[in-house]
Amino acid sequence: DTEVTQTPKHLVMGMTNKKSLKCEQHMGHRAMYWYKQKAKKPPELMFVYSYEKLSINESVPSRFSPECPNSSLLNLHLHALQPEDSALYLCASSQGQSSGNTIYFGEGSWLTVV
Amino acid sequence: RKEVEQDPGPFNVPEGATVAFNCTYSNSASQSFFWYRQDCRKEPKLLMSVYSSGNEDGRFTAQLNRASQYISLLIRDSKLSDSATYLCVVNMNTNAGKSTFGDGTTLTVKP
Repeated sequence: DTEVTQTPKHLVMGMTNKKSLKCEQHMGHRAMYWYKQKAKKPPELMFVYSYEKLSINESVPSRFSPECPNSSLLNLHLHALQPEDSALYLCASSQGQSSGNTIYFGEGSWLTVV
Repeated sequence: RKEVEQDPGPFNVPEGATVAFNCTYSNSASQSFFWYRQDCRKEPKLLMSVYSSGNEDGRFTAQLNRASQYISLLIRDSKLSDSATYLCVVNMNTNAGKSTFGDGTTLTVKP
């Protein structure tokens, strides 16, 4: 079982809604990530937090807003999304941000924008 | 040219077969290498890290060839449960935190 927990597992939202995806890990990891994955494609990095500070933003549209309240929690706030934003959103964590660290994924949140 | 390229697949093999996947990477500064497995509609899960000396875990063997800039994954005695997409992941030290994923190779093991 994964030690990275994501909620909700499924979310359907309208284009004018505001919703949030939540992620929690209790492995003491100091780096946390948001990835987006479309069907038959690999995960695509969105954001990286290291020691609770945003260290990488892969030019993600501002309708996606990440937040890291503490070292165990990571949120992704969603507002005014488009249907093409429908995808699997994966949270992940690693011990640190260095290249040798293994990334552990949560089960993901399936997002449908209608 | 993509930074990380995998065999396109799909690979359809009978149970008990041996199958090998290759993954090439373009940046010689790449430092760390991993194979992940992703089942349909599930999250990627680490299968193996890949070490310079090569490493084995049961039926799975991973190898790294830095000179030719590729990694490989060999699966012996394939099981039905090995059916999945296998993702090659490469990290460069200069882009700590930015793992580059290959597009994945799909394996189907048939009875």
